Amino acid sequence: EIVLTQSPATLSLSPGERATLSCRASQHVSRNLVWYQQKPGQAPRLLIYGASTRATGIPARFSGSGSGTDFTLTISSLQSEDFAVYYCQQHYTWPPVYPFGQGTKLEIK
Amino acid sequence: EVLLLESGGGVQQPGGSLRLSCAASGFTFGSYAMSWVRQAPGKGLEWVSSISVNGDETYDADSVKGRFTISRDNSKNTLYLQMHSLRAEDTALYYCAKRFSGYIDFWGQGTLVTVSS
Repeated sequence: EIVLTQSPATLSLSPGERATLSCRASQHVSRNLVWYQQKPGQAPRLLIYGASTRATGIPARFSGSGSGTDFTLTISSLQSEDFAVYYCQQHYTWPPVYPFGQGTKLEIK
Repeated sequence: EVLLLESGGGVQQPGGSLRLSCAASGFTFGSYAMSWVRQAPGKGLEWVSSISVNGDETYDADSVKGRFTISRDNSKNTLYLQMHSLRAEDTALYYCAKRFSGYIDFWGQGTLVTVSS
């Protein structure tokens, strides 16, 4: 089973700063990696698919990069609404029961 | 607009059973694989079960294998999760999820399952 490790567990930044979140897979997943955002009391929302493609309606300040085993989610200039928990997930393997990373909590400093 | 509305959650004793439902609208339900994902209070996301477009293939996480069964009725645009032999560790918010090319592109708002005596 592929294990996804996200770092850091918690990231404390101020609005306007740049956020860099990491997701590392224990095995190769090509570019079959997605990112989700979850705000308190809400369902997760798809942010990035294919490692780097923004989902519909996602602002351009969100970007994804990476392939193989190392992936990054970058938020170029944090807005107040961006403080949330972010999860990565791979969908490269079969069968389709895909574990998530443990999440990175992005909090206001 | 894609809408996924879960129902059927509640409080159940250990060893009991529950059936969750997810009513889908806003897309051609019978054309997409679906899944259930859960989230224990204060914890991360856990993929539970997946089902193919026509329901002939299902896959379960090891933590629920043999106890939970995912199914669908494409004529009713509804996804189900039958849960048996419930344990305290099954306590979670259960999300219905639409899949696209493997990953989840839409989530419901969830239904809460609490297993407690």
